[in-house]
Amino acid sequence: DAGVTQSPTHLIKTRGQQVTLRCSPKSGHDTVSWYQQALGQGPQFIFQYYEEEERQRGNFPDRFSGHQFPNYSSELNVNALLLGDSALYLCASSLNQGALLDTQYFGPGTRLTVL
Amino acid sequence: AQKVTQAQTEISVVEKEDVTLDCVYETRDTTYYLFWYKQPPSGELVFLIRRNSFDEQNEISGRYSWNFQKSTSSFNFTITASQVVDSAVYFCALSGIIQGAQKLVFGQGTRLTINP
Repeated sequence: DAGVTQSPTHLIKTRGQQVTLRCSPKSGHDTVSWYQQALGQGPQFIFQYYEEEERQRGNFPDRFSGHQFPNYSSELNVNALLLGDSALYLCASSLNQGALLDTQYFGPGTRLTVL
Repeated sequence: AQKVTQAQTEISVVEKEDVTLDCVYETRDTTYYLFWYKQPPSGELVFLIRRNSFDEQNEISGRYSWNFQKSTSSFNFTITASQVVDSAVYFCALSGIIQGAQKLVFGQGTRLTINP
């Protein structure tokens, strides 16, 4: 049973560029959430996707956008990269159970460095 | 607003000592979950435990135990007879439903170092 997978593992970009990160959820899961973890900090919620729609968004600018595909996989796009976007980007998957809460399982992350 | 506080930034102990990681949370929700995750140097967050807000029973899993007390809004994690492999950053997290979506709010983490 495959867990959450993310690609690429590492990425180096320069300021102003655009980046796309990818995530495949754990088998049986239909919801994907993205988190940004700056060095020495706890993860911060970016947004969550379910049924190919953005359901909730954290305090991140519109430069951060996403997409969910029919197979439940997801992409995180960041435009006009800033030095402050350097972080570990974590994808988490879960099963939507309506009003019930579920456990989010995390992938290994993509470490983005902006120079 | 939801908030999680892990006041201990770093803890260092000698192997075989017991160690407790503190977690205090704030929420106005009546239904919520509390979590502990472990983050080894590889970076992946590893799920350890989930606790329902309606279930205050303490839980023990091997050398790990958790103490949930709603009266003090705390969810502390104890490792008994610590081992070097327990060295990692540990995060406490709070989850609730916001506008139909489940969002995790994390504490700042506690870096635990177990010395041989």
